[in-house]
Amino acid sequence: GENVEQHPSTLSVQEGDSAVIKCTYSDSASNYFPWYKQELGKGPQLIIDIRSNVGEKKDQRIAVTLNKTAKHFSLHITETQPEDSAVYFCAAGSYDKVIFGPGTSLSVIP
Amino acid sequence: SQTIHQWPATLVQPVGSPLSLECTVEGTSNPNLYWYRQAAGRGLQLLFYSVGIGQISSEVPQNLSASRPQDRQFILSSKKLLLSDSGFYLCAWNRAGGDTEAFFGQGTRLTVV
Repeated sequence: GENVEQHPSTLSVQEGDSAVIKCTYSDSASNYFPWYKQELGKGPQLIIDIRSNVGEKKDQRIAVTLNKTAKHFSLHITETQPEDSAVYFCAAGSYDKVIFGPGTSLSVIP
Repeated sequence: SQTIHQWPATLVQPVGSPLSLECTVEGTSNPNLYWYRQAAGRGLQLLFYSVGIGQISSEVPQNLSASRPQDRQFILSSKKLLLSDSGFYLCAWNRAGGDTEAFFGQGTRLTVV
């Protein structure tokens, strides 16, 4: 079955700096790669996603890249703000299920 | 619009007692349904998923079970809880086909004492 790895597990950056989170997946059948943000005590919420026919996608300060050959995908957050502090999950999905990575706890230091 | 309801929000149960967590989705039909568990400070572990009524797939062997008695109802159960069952349980749904955004419930904080 699908296995999703995510690095780093914790990340601290200064406000205004960039943050990068990297993920790998194992199942070549996966074709959908969402990223979720989870705030304390709440369920995760989608922040951006990318499909296997696209290599890069950007939405304001957030960008994702996908290398399907290497089975790598990454989240880039630029100009980080304190409200970006949260746990971020990558995931890999196919027609019937979505498997999440273990998460990255991001702290943005004012 | 679609909504997902999950209850209860918090639950404290003694070891060996039964468990029933319920999740319902409104505003859509034939959704994929999921149960995830999140231990403290850990990632989301997929426990069960369902692509239709009565169709349940288990990702991790354990003393939990799931059922889908109706199209938009997903139930997580246990006959006898263990201490290790403590955690944050999340129900989620996405559209049939799977490769779409998943929407999560607010979660149930289960503490087994």
